[in-house]
Amino acid sequence: ETGVTQSPTHLIKTRGQQVTLRCSSQSGHNTVSWYQQALGQGPQFIFQYYREEENGRGNFPPRFSGLQFPNYSSELNVNALELDDSALYLCASSFRGAKNIQYFGAGTRLSVL
Amino acid sequence: KNEVEQSPQNLTAQEGEFITINCSYSVGISALHWLQQHPGGGIVSLFMLSSGKKKHGRLIATINIQEKHSSLHITASHPRDSAVYICAVRSFNAGNNRKLIWGLGTSLAVNP
Repeated sequence: ETGVTQSPTHLIKTRGQQVTLRCSSQSGHNTVSWYQQALGQGPQFIFQYYREEENGRGNFPPRFSGLQFPNYSSELNVNALELDDSALYLCASSFRGAKNIQYFGAGTRLSVL
Repeated sequence: KNEVEQSPQNLTAQEGEFITINCSYSVGISALHWLQQHPGGGIVSLFMLSSGKKKHGRLIATINIQEKHSSLHITASHPRDSAVYICAVRSFNAGNNRKLIWGLGTSLAVNP
């Protein structure tokens, strides 16, 4: 049990729609990272938030955006969904400075039809 | 060529065998992670290394910074060890120095 929960666990959307995925971090964790894992691939870094501000971004277009809230929860928003956005989305929280150990949620599986 | 390479890609072992999974990387790093992913997607962080060796139960992780290589060993393997084991490095790339670069994983199946 990592103490990181994601919701929903599964989601089906259609092309062009918008989606919001949620992550609840461990209490006190001030850093959250989001990853996209396509079937059969390793996770790809989307972005990281530290103290409610974006603190690093991978090779993802601006239609991927995020928010981090003071209550240790965060959101990943994806606009104008494309078929290739179908993947498992993982969030990981950590306390910056505490050896950067990341605790992962179980993920949200998004299917775009 | 991936910046993080794992071998083997797939591994089948009999219960009780000693298992080694290897990870090589080509970038400068500040830390290397070993993670375990079970079917269904949940990822558990096993180790974070920046030098030397760490041990937790039947798991041992080593890293050689000069050779840019790390190994994960499982002693007395058990069917519940069956999972995908992923190596990820924290790149020391200026401007984005907390980005994790992931290997593709090693799928381990331990038969009873």
